[in-house]
Amino acid sequence: EDKVVQSPLSLVVHEGDTVTLNCSYEVTNFRSLLWYKQEKKAPTFLFMLTSSGIEKKSGRLSSILDKKELFSILNITATQTGDSAVYLCAVALSGTYKYIFGTGTRLKVLA
Amino acid sequence: NAGVMQNPRHLVRRRGQEARLRCSPMKGHSHVYWYRQLPEEGLKFMVYLQKENIIDESGMPKERFSAEFPKEGPSILRIQQVVRGDSAAYFCASSPPSGGYGYTFGSGTRLTVV
Repeated sequence: EDKVVQSPLSLVVHEGDTVTLNCSYEVTNFRSLLWYKQEKKAPTFLFMLTSSGIEKKSGRLSSILDKKELFSILNITATQTGDSAVYLCAVALSGTYKYIFGTGTRLKVLA
Repeated sequence: NAGVMQNPRHLVRRRGQEARLRCSPMKGHSHVYWYRQLPEEGLKFMVYLQKENIIDESGMPKERFSAEFPKEGPSILRIQQVVRGDSAAYFCASSPPSGGYGYTFGSGTRLTVV
């Protein structure tokens, strides 16, 4: 069965800290891996990763994919309270538009 | 560009009633997806539709659940004879025909069955 596992389940840090969120996957037909940020409403798209070893960056957030070891990490540097959210990892399967989501990592950043 | 619009935001139904959840995709998007999020669980795929076609309904429960995306109007997820276990957040997402850079999600409908 296709599955996506995220760790840790939750994390509490202080403003300014750097955090690393993990996502590992076991799927039959990998197409791409995506990260979303979910606050109290719609998940918002952060990154799509298709190739190993190429870091994607957006401000203080960055992500990288390792297709050999079947995992991805999401890094957030100099965290702010506005980064508090649930971060979702999803894998898109080839031959379908279906995504398999992990249960998410709940990040809380304290002032 | 109003994004993906879902309504209602919150819906309360008594056991045995019907729930209708609506989703209007982003302008230019022709693919619609429904996902369900149970408490403390990840988003689970339910169904993928294009206009007037159900493409993949492998995640839909066999009974009581149906979805449509008519030629005109929003996509509808319909749950008949709701039970307490149907209480969840239901998210709709849309994408352009190419699949694009990830789905765009709506804000979800939180269904509570009492």
